[in-house]
Amino acid sequence: AQKVTQAQTEISVVEKEDVTLDCVYETRDTTYYLFWYKQPPSGELVFLIRRNSFDEQNEISGRYSWNFQKSTSSFNFTITASQVVDSAVYFCALSEAMIKAAGNKLTFGGGTRVLVKP
Amino acid sequence: AAGVIQSPRHLIKEKRETATLKCYPIPRHDTVYWYQQGPGQDPQFLISFYEKMQSDKGSIPDRFSAQQFSDYHSELNMSSLELGDSALYFCASSRETGEAFFGQGTRLTVV
Repeated sequence: AQKVTQAQTEISVVEKEDVTLDCVYETRDTTYYLFWYKQPPSGELVFLIRRNSFDEQNEISGRYSWNFQKSTSSFNFTITASQVVDSAVYFCALSEAMIKAAGNKLTFGGGTRVLVKP
Repeated sequence: AAGVIQSPRHLIKEKRETATLKCYPIPRHDTVYWYQQGPGQDPQFLISFYEKMQSDKGSIPDRFSAQQFSDYHSELNMSSLELGDSALYFCASSRETGEAFFGQGTRLTVV
């Protein structure tokens, strides 16, 4: 069975501080995908990144960066120089290898609420 | 770019009533997923369809059913509604092995 754990339920920072969100996963699959989604107060789920299990290269996109460490089953997310607009709930998610006709349902972590204060 | 469209955005129903939620996937996406997100919880997978056939099933109550139509839109039917069914219901779509994109959700309130 797959499991995603986000140990931090809520993080509060002051604007311009960096914030790192932890994500630890469990799966018996050798091929899988990891995701991060953002859920702002308006409620929609916004896709941020997908990473496959064979690609451990870290990724940076603007103020966002991701650190994938297969050895520790972690896929952490850092927001650099946080802004008030980053206030949201962030979900880490896992799916098994995307086999056509089976779909790729997501198993979500419990989410981390990030509050960025001005 | 076109996104996943869900309707209605908000729905209020009384206990024991029936509700139907609709989802219009991104054009050319062949897979549709339904998720339920209770207050303060993470989204939970309900059911998915690939090319109009059910492809996977999660913790979907027997009172719920879903289908995908020939135009690829999908409907989630919920009967005998209970207070505990109050939640945000998301539809997502994907193409082949691509990532899933979510609609804005339907907020269902059962009173």
